Amino acid sequence: EDKVVQSPLSLVVHEGDTVTLNCSYEVTNFRSLLWYKQEKKAPTFLFMLTSSGIEKKSGRLSSILDKKELFSILNITATQTGDSAIYLCAVLPMDSNYQLIWGAGTKLIIKP
Amino acid sequence: GAGVSQSPRYKVAKRGQDVALRCDPISGHVSLFWYQQALGQGPEFLTYFQNEAQLDKSGLPSDRFFAERPEGSVSTLKIQRTQQEDSAVYLCASSLRGSKAGELFFGEGSRLTVL
Repeated sequence: EDKVVQSPLSLVVHEGDTVTLNCSYEVTNFRSLLWYKQEKKAPTFLFMLTSSGIEKKSGRLSSILDKKELFSILNITATQTGDSAIYLCAVLPMDSNYQLIWGAGTKLIIKP
Repeated sequence: GAGVSQSPRYKVAKRGQDVALRCDPISGHVSLFWYQQALGQGPEFLTYFQNEAQLDKSGLPSDRFFAERPEGSVSTLKIQRTQQEDSAVYLCASSLRGSKAGELFFGEGSRLTVL
């Protein structure tokens, strides 16, 4: 059965720290991996990764995919309290145009 | 509107009542998805529309759940004879392209509590 596993489930750090969130997957015929940030209720899109080794970057956030070891990491540097959220990882298999397989998320809390 | 709009934001229903949740996607978005999200879990797929066609309803947990998108824009998720296990946040998402789930735009969700 296809699955996506995120770790840690929750993480508490202080403002200014750097965090690394993990997403591993077992999905038949991988197409792409996506990261979303969920504050309150609406997940917002962060990155889509399809190729190994190519870092996607947006400000203090960056992400990379390893298709050989079947995982992705999301890095956040110089964290701010506004980074507090649930970070969701999802994988799109090749045999579906739309049905994402979601992880349970990592709850990140940034303390001032 | 600028984003995906869902209503109501919060709904409390007595067990056995019927509820209807509305989703107004971003104008022009072809694809529309409904997800159910329990506390501490990722979204679980319920159903997918491409324009007015419901192409996949495999995630609907029972025949008490019904979704429609008659004119290819606004969608309604209806839950009949609600049960306590239906309590969750129901998220609607839309995307521009018909066949690519890559970037989904989510609404704020409707939190359903069944007493």
